[in-house]
Amino acid sequence: QVQLQESGPGLVKPSETLSLTCTVSGGSISNWYWNWFRQPAGKGLEYIGRLSTSGNTNYNPSLKSRVTMSVDMSKNQISLRMTSVTAADTAVYYCATGDQSFDMWGQGTMVTVSS
Amino acid sequence: DIQMTQSPSSLSASIGDRVTITCRASQSIGISLSWYHHKPGKAPKFLIYGASTLHSGVPARFSGSGSGTDFTLTISSLQPEDFASYYCQQSYTMPYTFGQGTKLEIK
Repeated sequence: QVQLQESGPGLVKPSETLSLTCTVSGGSISNWYWNWFRQPAGKGLEYIGRLSTSGNTNYNPSLKSRVTMSVDMSKNQISLRMTSVTAADTAVYYCATGDQSFDMWGQGTMVTVSS
Repeated sequence: DIQMTQSPSSLSASIGDRVTITCRASQSIGISLSWYHHKPGKAPKFLIYGASTLHSGVPARFSGSGSGTDFTLTISSLQPEDFASYYCQQSYTMPYTFGQGTKLEIK
C-alpha cells in the first residue's frame, strides 16, 4: 500500500524559505497528481497546489508568487518550496495524491515560523 | 474562490446516533463535492466523492447527498471511530476549497 510521509524543519525564521518533502513508499510516484495542503491551528484546510509527474503545476493564486513544487523520481519524493515566509505560514502541512479529490494523505508535518 | 460553509461547526452525539452535517457552496458546483474524516495527528481519510459515491472501503453507514450548492453527509449509526472532524471540499474549480470543518464529539 502506498504511504506518504512529509518531512522538513519544524522551525523557520520569518522572511526565509520553507522547504518540505513528501516521500512516497510502497509504490511509484509516476503518473499521479501530487498535492500540498496546510492547516493553521484552529482553522480549515487550505489547498496550496498540485504537481503532475509530467511536470505540470497548478498553484493557489493566493500563494502562487511564493510557491514552487517539484518532483524527484529517483527518490520517490515531491517537494514544496515557499519563499518569504511569515507567521501566517505557521501550519501543519500535508501532501496527498489525487486529481480532484484526494484519496491518500500523509500525517502532516508542523511548521512554525518564528525568530 | 468558491466559499464552502459547513454547519454545525461542532456537534455532540452518542454511539448509535444518526448525525447529519451540512455543506453549502457559495455558487453551484454540480456534484463536485468530496468529504473527509480527520483525527488530530493522523492522516485525513477520504470518504465520499461526486457528492454521494463512497470511496473504496468506507463503511456503508456513511452516505452523502446533494447537488448544486447544498450537500449533506450522514452517518447512520455512530461508531467510536467516527468521532473526528469532517471536511467538505469542492473540486468544481481551482483553487479547490474546503469547509471550515465540523468537529463531532462524544456526548
